Amino acid sequence: GAVVSQHPSWVICKSGTSVKIECRSLDFQATTMFWYRQFPKQSLMLMATSNEGSKATYEQGVEKDKFLINHASLTLSTLTVTSAHPEDSSFYICSAGKFSSTDTQYFGPGTRLTVL
Amino acid sequence: KQEVTQIPAALSVPEGENLVLNCSFTDSAIYNLQWFRQDPGKGLTSLLLIQSSQREQTSGRLNASLDKSSGRSTLYIAASQPGDSATYLCAVLDWSQGGKLIFGQGTELSVKP
Repeated sequence: GAVVSQHPSWVICKSGTSVKIECRSLDFQATTMFWYRQFPKQSLMLMATSNEGSKATYEQGVEKDKFLINHASLTLSTLTVTSAHPEDSSFYICSAGKFSSTDTQYFGPGTRLTVL
Repeated sequence: KQEVTQIPAALSVPEGENLVLNCSFTDSAIYNLQWFRQDPGKGLTSLLLIQSSQREQTSGRLNASLDKSSGRSTLYIAASQPGDSATYLCAVLDWSQGGKLIFGQGTELSVKP
């Protein structure tokens, strides 16, 4: 068990458009979901933590109005990159924590975003 | 502020060799430490998780150790195979920062046949 999916797996968009990425926990309920960004040859950087039914907590330097996070249910969180620019091109990975065990995160396969 | 460092950044070994990857962290007040594998363009696969009260964990050819007092962990890979080629990331769960996973930069491993 503990499978996390992301959709889409890759997306190419024009500068100025908005892109939504979904993160789903397929076989468990996730009270907490995390969104990370990874640039080439670099490690994962936490962008924000979202708890079901409440506002996301953003890391320092991450613009909350640009990266909109919604965690409307215990199995789904979405990240919307608004007015995307080429510098937003990156690999976005989500993870989810089980309701019963918050010390383990299960990672999704990632979404490659390319902004032209 | 917790910082995680991995050495070396890249490693190339011939098939069959035993190897050690290193991870160090600056604040010993961690909840657990986890080793992940990441293939190019893919997500993370969890390899081993060591709770703060544990000293090591083993899974097949992998063995991870944890010395919390010195802020170090090692991942030992026995009899390496070309299929082990990937980037290996270590991460600590730091409750002092709200239960965040803090990642190292990773070690890119290449096992040559």
